Amino acid sequence: TQLLEQSPQFLSIQEGENLTVYCNSSSVFSSLQWYRQEPGEGPVLLVTVVTGGEVKKLKRLTFQFGDARKDSSLHITAAQPGDTGLYLCAGGRGANNLFFGTGTRLTVIP
Amino acid sequence: GAVVSQHPSWVICKSGTSVKIECRSLDFQATTMFWYRQFPKQSLMLMATSNEGSKATYEQGVEKDKFLINHASLTLSTLTVTSAHPEDSSFYICSASPGTGYRSNQPQHFGDGTRLSIL
Repeated sequence: TQLLEQSPQFLSIQEGENLTVYCNSSSVFSSLQWYRQEPGEGPVLLVTVVTGGEVKKLKRLTFQFGDARKDSSLHITAAQPGDTGLYLCAGGRGANNLFFGTGTRLTVIP
Repeated sequence: GAVVSQHPSWVICKSGTSVKIECRSLDFQATTMFWYRQFPKQSLMLMATSNEGSKATYEQGVEKDKFLINHASLTLSTLTVTSAHPEDSSFYICSASPGTGYRSNQPQHFGDGTRLSIL
């Protein structure tokens, strides 16, 4: 089982604060993706990282893939209420057969 | 581009009935489609992978006779929950990819999900 553990499971912060979500596994993945999911909707892809040590930025979101390609992190700077949602990491071989992480539910309080 | 449509978006039915959920790729040919199940406040769990024209591959613990998957064309896959019971109530999400096999780097495109409630 290629288990992807995310931490924290729940996070409630004030608008303007920074936060980091972690995604850890004992397995090596050739790529890792981060998604955000709103209630009642499917997950929406935020980013794909493929190279160990890779860092990608998407506005206030910074994604990093671990050197050993077993873990990843998502850092949000100056969180806004619109960032509220369920954040999911997913790893796989290529992009098929994705294994989703346990999820982090983020609430940003105005 | 790369739009995946799921239908219905929600369904409520009585215990014992069968429910069919459709997943369509609207602007690309989906060689591979995936079906996931998501319980409240939990992550997505892969149920099965289907390639067009062949039998679906089910994940461990998923009953293939309970969850019938048909991927008869490159744009349509269906999931039928047979003799549904309250414990089958969940959020079912499909995704579609133009790629095949684990070496493919083609991304998965997700539908908006189907909320199934069995009374």
